[in-house]
Amino acid sequence: EIVMTQSPATLSVSPGERATLSCRASQSVSSNLAWYQQKPGQAPRLLIYGASTRATGIPARISGSGSGTEFTLTINSLQSEDFAFYYCQQYNNWPPYTFGQGTKLEIK
Amino acid sequence: EVQLVESGGGLVKPGGSLRLSCAASGFTFNSYSMNWVRQAPGKGLEWVSSISSSSSYIYYADSVKGRFTISRDNAKNSLYLQMNSLRAEDTAVYYCARDLEIGLPDYWGQGTLVTVSS
Repeated sequence: EIVMTQSPATLSVSPGERATLSCRASQSVSSNLAWYQQKPGQAPRLLIYGASTRATGIPARISGSGSGTEFTLTINSLQSEDFAFYYCQQYNNWPPYTFGQGTKLEIK
Repeated sequence: EVQLVESGGGLVKPGGSLRLSCAASGFTFNSYSMNWVRQAPGKGLEWVSSISSSSSYIYYADSVKGRFTISRDNAKNSLYLQMNSLRAEDTAVYYCARDLEIGLPDYWGQGTLVTVSS
């Protein structure tokens, strides 16, 4: 089973600034990596797949990068609606497909 | 618009059973693999089970294998999860999710809460 590790657990950033979230896989997942956003009481929302492809309706200020075992989600010009939990997920080697433990992006 | 609506959650005693349903609309249900993913209170996401579009391929997480059964009815645009021998650690919000491609959920329902407690 591939273990996904996200860092940091909590990230405090001011509105208008940039947030950088990291995700590491215990072995290579190629580019089969997705990012989800989840707000309290809501379902996860797909942001990025294929490590860098934005899902439908996701703004250009949200971007993903990386391949192999190291991945990054970058959110520029943070807006109030961006403060949420973020999860990475690998779908290269499955079952099971596995999620990271999440990063909470909070307002500084 | 893609819609996934789960139902069937509730309070059940340890060792009991529950059947979850997911009603799908807004897309060609029989063309997509489907999944159940759960989230324990205050915890992260855990994949539970997947089923291919024609039910030819079915997969389970080790934590539920032998206790849970996933199924679908393409004529009714519905996905199911039969949960038996429930344990306290199965307490979670259960989400139904559609696969954009194999292993990659894109649309998710709002979830249904399952609480296993005596």
